[in-house]
Amino acid sequence: GAVVSQHPSWVICKSGTSVKIECRSLDFQATTMFWYRQFPKQSLMLMATSNEGSKATYEQGVEKDKFLINHASLTLSTLTVTSAHPEDSSFYICSAAGPKNTEAFFGQGTRLTVV
Amino acid sequence: EDQVTQSPEALRLQEGESSSLNCSYTVSGLRGLFWYRQDPGKGPEFLFTLYSAGEEKEKERLKATLTKKESFLHITAPKPEDSATYLCAYDERVGGSGGSNYKLTFGKGTLLTVNP
Repeated sequence: GAVVSQHPSWVICKSGTSVKIECRSLDFQATTMFWYRQFPKQSLMLMATSNEGSKATYEQGVEKDKFLINHASLTLSTLTVTSAHPEDSSFYICSAAGPKNTEAFFGQGTRLTVV
Repeated sequence: EDQVTQSPEALRLQEGESSSLNCSYTVSGLRGLFWYRQDPGKGPEFLFTLYSAGEEKEKERLKATLTKKESFLHITAPKPEDSATYLCAYDERVGGSGGSNYKLTFGKGTLLTVNP
């Protein structure tokens, strides 16, 4: 299947700082990428849908000014958690719509810990 | 309200003991039912997509089936390496027919443990 690479796999940051997470589709072009958040023993919750060259669509309850998404190219989307707080600590996962647009491939996830 | 429910929450099997995981959904106009495997601390790994009632797909020891109200993931003669959380999700496509902006809504998953 198609490969989606997410970086970093884990990050620890101080409260009040910003953290950027990258999501790359390595062997296909992804016009649409998705960002999810997952708490322990919980389901993946969609945060936003990112379309190349346009503004991201955020799900209800997700602060767009806090979670900045940029999808500048067909192979790269970034999520920036701004002014991070301990409650933002979570597992963030990106996915990209595959070339056939019939499946979604996921990155490895990023464990964010805000101290 | 559209939703997807997985059962059981957790399942322990002995190696070789076949079983099934359930995913029931209440969605108007299902456009796809997905199964993923997720290992601890990792992103989900794609397994299957099912589109219509009666459809079946197989991969090694796994077989996924779909009815109008639920999907089953059958595991035949499981091995310890099959231990993982299995997630199902439905595709709620937005943006009109043929649109690329599909949206996956996930269940909470079934944690499968296969003991040697």
